[in-house]
Amino acid sequence: DGGITQSPKYLFRKEGQNVTLSCEQNLNHDAMYWYRQDPGQGLRLIYYSQIVNDFQKGDIAEGYSVSREKKESFPLTVTSAQKNPTAFYLCASSIDRDSYEQYFGPGTRLTVT
Amino acid sequence: SQKIEQNSEALNIQEGKTATLTCNYTNYSPAYLQWYRQDPGRGPVFLLLIRENEKEKRKERLKVTFNTTLKQSLFHITASQPADSATYLCALDMSRNRDDKIIFGKGTRLHILP
Repeated sequence: DGGITQSPKYLFRKEGQNVTLSCEQNLNHDAMYWYRQDPGQGLRLIYYSQIVNDFQKGDIAEGYSVSREKKESFPLTVTSAQKNPTAFYLCASSIDRDSYEQYFGPGTRLTVT
Repeated sequence: SQKIEQNSEALNIQEGKTATLTCNYTNYSPAYLQWYRQDPGRGPVFLLLIRENEKEKRKERLKVTFNTTLKQSLFHITASQPADSATYLCALDMSRNRDDKIIFGKGTRLHILP
């Protein structure tokens, strides 16, 4: 089956630790995105990548980092510099930069205590 | 800056009736507008995309309108069913800002009452 996978579904970390969230897609999509969703809030864009080895900051990139070494993979690292890391993180992809229909993964709920 | 407003309150609709959700935007003229469905604890699922030169788009029981003068999109679900209960998000493209992203509204929670 084609799609986007995110792992794990739930993640717990202690404050001060970096944590990496996985996002893999087998849709052969060029573009990938990371969003954060907080209760009662819309999706906020963290980082996006239009092609391999290239990515751009979104609206709330501070405290996060990404890499795009392979077309299929776009991992997100939540660093200790992120002041409020507890949230629901969603990864998405689209065919290319001109296609605005996005396909989302199931999400990872990160809790930092 | 661009702003998207969706019904902030939850919408309760009796089964079988038509549900209508509103998306208003300001300070921008998108080339596209999209609607997504999101179930609790899951990622959004794309439903419909409508272009600025399209007044209306339909897909099965779903209908979307796009009024660029009013800066508003309406999303209709006809013959609503309890399974339609979810949060519905609208999203605008930012291509006219030379931006390769879309921005999402906060969503409207829809409850279809049996």
